[in-house]
Amino acid sequence: DAGVTQSPTHLIKTRGQQVTLRCSPISGHKSVSWYQQVLGQGPQFIFQYYEKEERGRGNFPDRFSARQFPNYSSELNVNALLLGDSALYLCASLKQSPYNEQFFGPGTRLTVL
Amino acid sequence: GNSVTQMEGPVTLSEEAFLTINCTYTATGYPSLFWYVQYPGEGLQLLLKATKADDKGSNKGFEATYRKETTSFHLEKGSVQVSDSAVYFCARVQGAQKLVFGQGTRLTINP
Repeated sequence: DAGVTQSPTHLIKTRGQQVTLRCSPISGHKSVSWYQQVLGQGPQFIFQYYEKEERGRGNFPDRFSARQFPNYSSELNVNALLLGDSALYLCASLKQSPYNEQFFGPGTRLTVL
Repeated sequence: GNSVTQMEGPVTLSEEAFLTINCTYTATGYPSLFWYVQYPGEGLQLLLKATKADDKGSNKGFEATYRKETTSFHLEKGSVQVSDSAVYFCARVQGAQKLVFGQGTRLTINP
Protein backbone atom coordinates (compact mmCIF):
# COMPACT_ATOMS: atom_id res chain seq x y z
CA ASP A 1 0.00 0.00 0.00
CA ALA A 2 1.17 3.51 -0.74
CA GLY A 3 2.00 5.64 2.25
CA VAL A 4 1.20 9.28 2.84
CA THR A 5 2.36 11.43 -0.05
CA GLN A 6 3.10 15.14 0.06
CA SER A 7 3.96 17.67 -2.61
CA PRO A 8 6.06 19.52 -3.34
CA THR A 9 9.14 18.17 -1.59
CA HIS A 10 10.84 21.54 -1.34
CA LEU A 11 9.61 25.06 -1.86
CA ILE A 12 11.24 28.47 -1.72
CA LYS A 13 9.12 31.58 -1.34
CA THR A 14 9.65 35.20 -0.41
CA ARG A 15 8.04 37.14 2.39
CA GLY A 16 4.45 38.16 1.71
CA GLN A 17 3.80 35.39 -0.81
CA GLN A 18 1.24 32.64 -0.47
CA VAL A 19 1.88 28.89 -0.56
CA THR A 20 -0.23 25.76 -0.97
CA LEU A 21 0.97 22.37 0.23
CA ARG A 22 -0.72 19.11 -0.68
CA CYS A 23 -1.20 15.78 1.02
CA SER A 24 -2.76 12.46 0.05
CA PRO A 25 -3.54 10.11 2.95
CA ILE A 26 -3.23 6.36 3.03
CA SER A 27 -6.03 4.66 1.14
CA GLY A 28 -8.99 4.09 3.48
CA HIS A 29 -7.96 6.78 5.96
CA LYS A 30 -10.49 9.58 6.20
CA SER A 31 -8.64 11.95 8.48
CA VAL A 32 -5.51 14.03 8.04
CA SER A 33 -3.55 16.27 10.36
CA TRP A 34 -1.00 18.95 9.58
CA TYR A 35 2.05 19.75 11.70
CA GLN A 36 4.77 22.38 11.49
CA GLN A 37 8.29 21.36 12.47
CA VAL A 38 10.71 24.22 12.88
CA LEU A 39 14.36 23.20 12.69
CA GLY A 40 15.56 21.70 15.96
CA GLN A 41 12.10 21.38 17.51
CA GLY A 42 9.31 18.86 17.72
CA PRO A 43 6.31 19.09 15.39
CA GLN A 44 3.50 21.46 16.37
CA PHE A 45 -0.14 20.66 15.57
CA ILE A 46 -1.80 22.97 13.04
CA PHE A 47 -5.06 21.32 11.90
CA GLN A 48 -6.99 18.10 11.82
CA TYR A 49 -9.67 17.29 9.25
CA TYR A 50 -12.09 14.40 9.19
CA GLU A 51 -14.62 13.79 6.44
CA LYS A 52 -13.92 17.29 5.06
CA GLU A 53 -14.67 19.01 8.35
CA GLU A 54 -12.17 20.74 10.62
CA ARG A 55 -11.93 18.82 13.88
CA GLY A 56 -9.15 20.70 15.57
CA ARG A 57 -6.92 23.71 15.23
CA GLY A 58 -3.66 24.50 16.94
CA ASN A 59 -2.33 27.86 18.04
CA PHE A 60 -1.59 29.28 14.61
CA PRO A 61 -2.69 32.60 13.09
CA ASP A 62 -5.50 32.95 10.58
CA ARG A 63 -2.91 33.13 7.81
CA PHE A 64 -2.94 29.36 8.02
CA SER A 65 -5.92 27.57 6.51
CA ALA A 66 -6.65 24.12 5.20
CA ARG A 67 -9.29 22.06 3.53
CA GLN A 68 -10.04 18.42 2.78
CA PHE A 69 -11.48 17.16 -0.45
CA PRO A 70 -14.03 14.37 -1.12
CA ASN A 71 -11.18 11.96 -1.89
CA TYR A 72 -9.74 12.81 1.58
CA SER A 73 -6.68 14.57 0.19
CA SER A 74 -5.89 17.88 1.82
CA GLU A 75 -4.30 21.24 1.18
CA LEU A 76 -2.62 23.57 3.63
CA ASN A 77 -2.49 27.23 2.66
CA VAL A 78 -0.34 29.88 4.24
CA ASN A 79 -0.83 33.53 3.28
CA ALA A 80 1.43 36.52 3.79
CA LEU A 81 4.46 34.37 4.46
CA LEU A 82 6.89 35.39 7.19
CA LEU A 83 10.48 34.31 7.65
CA GLY A 84 9.34 32.37 10.72
CA ASP A 85 7.11 30.17 8.57
CA SER A 86 10.21 28.41 7.27
CA ALA A 87 9.82 24.84 8.45
CA LEU A 88 9.11 21.25 7.51
CA TYR A 89 5.36 20.81 7.10
CA LEU A 90 4.22 17.30 7.89
CA CYS A 91 0.96 15.67 6.96
CA ALA A 92 -0.31 12.72 8.96
CA SER A 93 -2.93 10.19 7.93
CA LEU A 94 -4.99 8.87 10.80
CA LYS A 95 -6.05 5.30 11.37
CA GLN A 96 -8.97 5.71 13.71
CA SER A 97 -9.44 2.20 14.90
CA PRO A 98 -8.58 1.05 17.49
CA TYR A 99 -7.14 4.44 18.28
CA ASN A 100 -5.90 7.49 16.42
CA GLU A 101 -2.56 6.18 15.19
CA GLN A 102 -0.96 8.71 12.91
CA PHE A 103 1.20 7.89 9.89
CA PHE A 104 3.40 10.71 8.67
CA GLY A 105 4.40 11.69 5.17
CA PRO A 106 7.92 12.79 4.21
CA GLY A 107 7.03 16.46 4.58
CA THR A 108 7.40 19.61 2.51
CA ARG A 109 10.40 21.77 3.31
CA LEU A 110 9.36 25.44 3.01
CA THR A 111 11.99 28.14 2.97
CA VAL A 112 10.88 31.77 3.18
CA LEU A 113 13.48 34.32 2.10
CA GLY B 1 -0.64 21.57 31.47
CA ASN B 2 -0.26 19.04 28.76
CA SER B 3 3.34 18.64 27.72
CA VAL B 4 6.11 16.22 26.95
CA THR B 5 9.66 16.71 28.15
CA GLN B 6 12.56 14.82 26.70
CA MET B 7 16.15 14.38 27.68
CA GLU B 8 18.18 17.05 25.97
CA GLY B 9 20.60 16.01 23.30
CA PRO B 10 22.64 15.49 21.45
CA VAL B 11 23.52 12.01 22.63
CA THR B 12 26.61 10.32 21.24
CA LEU B 13 27.35 6.66 21.90
CA SER B 14 29.60 3.97 20.58
CA GLU B 15 28.18 1.02 18.69
CA GLU B 16 26.81 -1.73 20.98
CA ALA B 17 26.37 0.68 23.90
CA PHE B 18 23.19 0.76 26.00
CA LEU B 19 20.78 3.57 25.20
CA THR B 20 18.31 5.41 27.40
CA ILE B 21 16.42 8.51 26.30
CA ASN B 22 14.25 9.91 29.06
CA CYS B 23 10.72 11.15 28.48
CA THR B 24 8.19 12.45 30.99
CA TYR B 25 4.73 13.81 30.37
CA THR B 26 2.04 15.80 32.10
CA ALA B 27 -1.59 14.96 31.50
CA THR B 28 -4.92 14.33 33.05
CA GLY B 29 -5.74 10.69 32.75
CA TYR B 30 -3.65 8.16 30.88
CA PRO B 31 -3.08 9.18 27.27
CA SER B 32 -1.55 6.91 24.66
CA LEU B 33 2.21 7.44 24.39
CA PHE B 34 4.50 7.10 21.39
CA TRP B 35 8.09 7.21 20.27
CA TYR B 36 8.71 8.44 16.74
CA VAL B 37 12.03 8.40 14.87
CA GLN B 38 13.14 10.83 12.19
CA TYR B 39 16.03 9.90 9.93
CA PRO B 40 17.91 12.69 8.12
CA GLY B 41 15.79 14.35 5.47
CA GLU B 42 12.73 12.24 6.19
CA GLY B 43 9.39 12.49 7.96
CA LEU B 44 8.46 10.79 11.20
CA GLN B 45 8.16 7.04 11.58
CA LEU B 46 6.32 5.43 14.45
CA LEU B 47 8.84 3.40 16.45
CA LEU B 48 6.65 2.06 19.23
CA LYS B 49 3.57 2.83 21.28
CA ALA B 50 1.77 2.09 24.54
CA THR B 51 -1.90 2.76 24.98
CA LYS B 52 -2.36 2.18 28.71
CA ALA B 53 -0.48 2.20 31.96
CA ASP B 54 2.11 -0.59 32.45
CA ASP B 55 2.08 -1.44 28.74
CA LYS B 56 5.47 -2.06 27.16
CA GLY B 57 5.95 -1.03 23.57
CA SER B 58 8.74 -2.65 21.59
CA ASN B 59 10.12 -2.62 18.07
CA LYS B 60 13.51 -3.18 16.38
CA GLY B 61 15.16 -3.83 19.75
CA PHE B 62 13.81 -0.63 21.29
CA GLU B 63 11.53 -0.75 24.33
CA ALA B 64 9.58 1.71 26.44
CA THR B 65 7.29 1.08 29.40
CA TYR B 66 4.34 3.30 30.30
CA ARG B 67 4.96 4.22 33.96
CA LYS B 68 1.98 6.06 35.43
CA GLU B 69 3.63 6.39 38.86
CA THR B 70 6.48 8.45 37.43
CA THR B 71 4.59 9.72 34.35
CA SER B 72 7.45 8.48 32.22
CA PHE B 73 7.99 6.59 28.97
CA HIS B 74 11.75 6.20 28.67
CA LEU B 75 13.18 4.69 25.49
CA GLU B 76 15.81 1.96 25.84
CA LYS B 77 17.87 -0.26 23.62
CA GLY B 78 20.40 -2.78 24.80
CA SER B 79 22.90 -2.53 21.94
CA VAL B 80 22.73 0.35 19.51
CA GLN B 81 23.91 0.31 15.91
CA VAL B 82 25.21 3.03 13.62
CA SER B 83 21.93 2.79 11.71
CA ASP B 84 20.06 3.95 14.85
CA SER B 85 21.49 7.44 14.40
CA ALA B 86 18.47 9.72 14.08
CA VAL B 87 16.30 12.15 16.01
CA TYR B 88 13.86 10.56 18.46
CA PHE B 89 10.60 12.17 19.55
CA CYS B 90 8.42 11.22 22.46
CA ALA B 91 4.75 12.12 22.05
CA ARG B 92 1.42 11.83 23.76
CA VAL B 93 -2.12 12.09 22.46
CA GLN B 94 -4.15 15.13 23.50
CA GLY B 95 -7.87 14.64 23.08
CA ALA B 96 -8.78 12.79 19.93
CA GLN B 97 -7.19 15.29 17.66
CA LYS B 98 -3.51 15.79 18.04
CA LEU B 99 -0.12 14.60 19.12
CA VAL B 100 1.96 16.68 21.50
CA PHE B 101 5.67 16.14 20.90
CA GLY B 102 8.77 16.60 22.95
CA GLN B 103 11.59 18.67 21.55
CA GLY B 104 13.44 15.68 20.16
CA THR B 105 16.74 14.03 21.04
CA ARG B 106 19.44 13.70 18.40
CA LEU B 107 21.29 10.39 18.68
CA THR B 108 24.60 9.71 16.98
CA ILE B 109 26.18 6.27 17.09
CA ASN B 110 29.85 6.02 16.25
CA PRO B 111 31.36 2.79 14.87
